[in-house]
Amino acid sequence: DAGVTQSPTHLIKTRGQQVTLRCSPKSGHDTVSWYQQALGQGPQFIFQYYEEEERQRGNFPDRFSGHQFPNYSSELNVNALLLGDSALYLCASSPPDRGVKTQYFGPGTRLLVL
Amino acid sequence: KNQVEQSPQSLIILEGKNCTLQCNYTVSPFSNLRWYKQDTGRGPVSLTIMTFSENTKSNGRYTATLDADTKQSSLHITASQLSDSASYICVVSGGRNNRLAFGKGNQVVVIP
Repeated sequence: DAGVTQSPTHLIKTRGQQVTLRCSPKSGHDTVSWYQQALGQGPQFIFQYYEEEERQRGNFPDRFSGHQFPNYSSELNVNALLLGDSALYLCASSPPDRGVKTQYFGPGTRLLVL
Repeated sequence: KNQVEQSPQSLIILEGKNCTLQCNYTVSPFSNLRWYKQDTGRGPVSLTIMTFSENTKSNGRYTATLDADTKQSSLHITASQLSDSASYICVVSGGRNNRLAFGKGNQVVVIP
């Protein structure tokens, strides 16, 4: 059983470009959350998707958008990239609502904006 | 101000020694507290998860404690190994939207 997978593993972009990151949740999980982690910092919540809709959103601008597909996989899109968007982007999935849920994290996509 | 504060920010310990990491939080109402281990450049991996009624939980050489009254948690690593070198992140669930609040992590380096 594969855990949470993310692609690509690394990515280099230039300012102003757009990027799409992908995430496949752990088997049986239906909720996907995205986080941004700057070097030396804890992850910052971007948003969460459930039933193909954005359920919660953190304090990130509209340049950050997402999508969830019927198979529960998800994409994170970032438009008009800024240097400050350079970070490790983590995807986490969790199972259907059943009390306390543990989030399982993917390996992350490291984005470098030049 | 961050809702989850961890200390020390970083520490170096000798292989075989024990260490204790601290986590203080202000998240309210409280739902649960998790400790994650994150190797450099990798995603966090769950070590323990504790709810309000639990005050200690172990996972191998890792033992977490929780004092919900003082809003403090600790993670104790026993007989450290080189593979314990990582960032240990405290995550508290709760608040108005039941979100996860992340600490910045305790960076642990184990040296031979």
